[in-house]
Amino acid sequence: DTGVSQDPRHKITKRGQNVTFRCDPISEHNRLYWYRQTLGQGPEFLTYFQNEAQLEKSRLLSDRFSAERPKGSFSTLEIQRTEQGDSAMYLCASSPSPWDSVSGSDSYEQYFGPGTRLTVT
Amino acid sequence: GNSVTQMEGPVTLSEEAFLTINCTYTATGYPSLFWYVQYPGEGLQLLLKATKADDKGSNKGFEATYRKETTSFHLEKGSVQVSDSAVYFCALSALGGYNKLIFGAGTRLAVHP
Repeated sequence: DTGVSQDPRHKITKRGQNVTFRCDPISEHNRLYWYRQTLGQGPEFLTYFQNEAQLEKSRLLSDRFSAERPKGSFSTLEIQRTEQGDSAMYLCASSPSPWDSVSGSDSYEQYFGPGTRLTVT
Repeated sequence: GNSVTQMEGPVTLSEEAFLTINCTYTATGYPSLFWYVQYPGEGLQLLLKATKADDKGSNKGFEATYRKETTSFHLEKGSVQVSDSAVYFCALSALGGYNKLIFGAGTRLAVHP
């Protein structure tokens, strides 16, 4: 299976520590997204990469968060000085990039990984 | 700003009952609309989508119609099965937003035999 993979699946850390998550998208997909999902809520957008360029960041992404996608392949999301409020499921998704010229909308499916569940104690 | 509102759960039904999960949206322009499903222990999967007004998305017996006049995209299924038990998320992606998804809070469905 060549779906989106994320590592680790679970991470428990103490407040103040740094953590890094990895996402490996589907190989031919040049779009990559990070979302955060807290208990009982829908995922919220964090950031978007097209190839290696980070083109959009949500206001949810504070200065303690940084994301990279070197060479336009895998991506990492780092959280520095973790806080208890960072506890959540971090989701990665990828999609291809063609533009739908008929509808004028870009409606391609995003394929989600299984997520990394972060618990900050 | 863009937002999605869906009915609160949990929704509890008996097998073979009719299902409706309401979803309404606020967006500028004409967004694409989606229903994603999250089965227990699994990642989010696209269930169906619609990209313009009056489009009907369908998959696995589920249907939803893009209603611009009521800004709605309600999910329906005529006869649910126990295996449909999951959390369902309505979402939109707006033009010019790099296709990022804006999700509702999710509705948990529990189907009993």
